Amino acid sequence: DQQVKQNSPSLSVQEGRISILNCDYTNSMFDYFLWYKKYPAEGPTFLISISSIKDKNEDGRFTVFLNKSAKHLSLHIVPSQPGDSAVYFCAASFGNEKLTFGTGTRLTIIP
Amino acid sequence: DAGITQSPRHKVTETGTPVTLRCHQTENHRYMYWYRQDPGHGLRLIHYSYGVKDTDKGEVSDGYSVSRSKTEDFLLTLESATSSQTSVYFCAIKMGGGSPPDTQYFGPGTRLTVL
Repeated sequence: DQQVKQNSPSLSVQEGRISILNCDYTNSMFDYFLWYKKYPAEGPTFLISISSIKDKNEDGRFTVFLNKSAKHLSLHIVPSQPGDSAVYFCAASFGNEKLTFGTGTRLTIIP
Repeated sequence: DAGITQSPRHKVTETGTPVTLRCHQTENHRYMYWYRQDPGHGLRLIHYSYGVKDTDKGEVSDGYSVSRSKTEDFLLTLESATSSQTSVYFCAIKMGGGSPPDTQYFGPGTRLTVL
């Protein structure tokens, strides 16, 4: 049972435009959500997170939105840059010990 | 930089042989994790540790064992490697202090191929 789902395996966006990556979850107990970015041959790196008590968190070009009623979160990257090309994983947790990851979305920024 | 190293970085082995992967951290973090990454599956938790000699299973623990005899080292052992264990293995730690809660930081990974 996949508790965290990223239904788009890949996404291509023109440089300078907005990239929107989506993530759905099924477990209403999740209370913290994170996005990670992964380049080939490297470990995932933490990007941004949001607590379930908020609906938006912003850090520079990256904004995460949380819609608890829809059990949906999204990551917006504005403007998209070539260095943003990577695989993005969303993750969720409750109980502060373990993370459950989605399957990832490969983002390609077209120059 | 969370000060995590993994060794070896690449390994090719044969079916049925034992394999041990090592994760080493330099900053005394309590929680350490082992994940595997496979296409179409994302990152899946194998085992984790919440202190010396304290470990628990993740969602894909069959065929794997772990040990943590020192705070800085978390070992993952494949007792008898199978081709289905060909994967990229990542170690992670959970940082406290100024980091957001629940945030884990990952090592560079070990690519394991079982022939």
